[in-house]
Amino acid sequence: DQQVKQNSPSLSVQEGRISILNCDYTNSMFDYFLWYKKYPAEGPTFLISISSIKDKNEDGRFTVFLNKSAKHLSLHIVPSQPGDSAVYFCAASENTGFQKLVFGTGTRLLVSP
Amino acid sequence: DSGVTQTPKHLITATGQRVTLRCSPRSGDLSVYWYQQSLDQGLQFLIQYYNGEERAKGNILERFSAQQFPDLHSELNLSSLELGDSALYFCASSATGVFETQYFGPGTRLLVL
Repeated sequence: DQQVKQNSPSLSVQEGRISILNCDYTNSMFDYFLWYKKYPAEGPTFLISISSIKDKNEDGRFTVFLNKSAKHLSLHIVPSQPGDSAVYFCAASENTGFQKLVFGTGTRLLVSP
Repeated sequence: DSGVTQTPKHLITATGQRVTLRCSPRSGDLSVYWYQQSLDQGLQFLIQYYNGEERAKGNILERFSAQQFPDLHSELNLSSLELGDSALYFCASSATGVFETQYFGPGTRLLVL
């Protein structure tokens, strides 16, 4: 059972435009969410996170939005740059005293010049 | 560079064999996590250690085991290898292992022939 879903395997946008990556989850106990970026032959790199007490978190060009009632989060990248081309993973965890991250299957973002 | 190191980078072995993957966490981090990424799959949590003790277990096969040593490095042992064990194995670390960002190493690519 896939508790974290990224339904779009790929996304193409033009440089300078907004990229919106989506993630849905089914486990209502999740209360901490993260986005990771992954280049080929490298490990995932942490991008941005949000806890369930917030609905928005911003860091430079990256903003994560959380809609708890819809069990949905999204990552906005503005403006998109060719260097943003990578696979983006959404991950979630429960606050249970340890931290097992549950990952989505990823969305491949291609930003063209 | 996340500060998490993993060796070896690549490993090719035969079915039925046993291998050991090694991970050194970021300086100061007490918690280590192991994840498996099979082809076209998201990362699957295997196991977490905190300061030498097992803290959480995920979908880890009985043929797999791990430990964390007093110097905090960790090893993942995979035995009686099968073709389906071919995957990327990632190690991550965090400071305390509770409700915080995990930083990933570059991974070990295992190919079982």
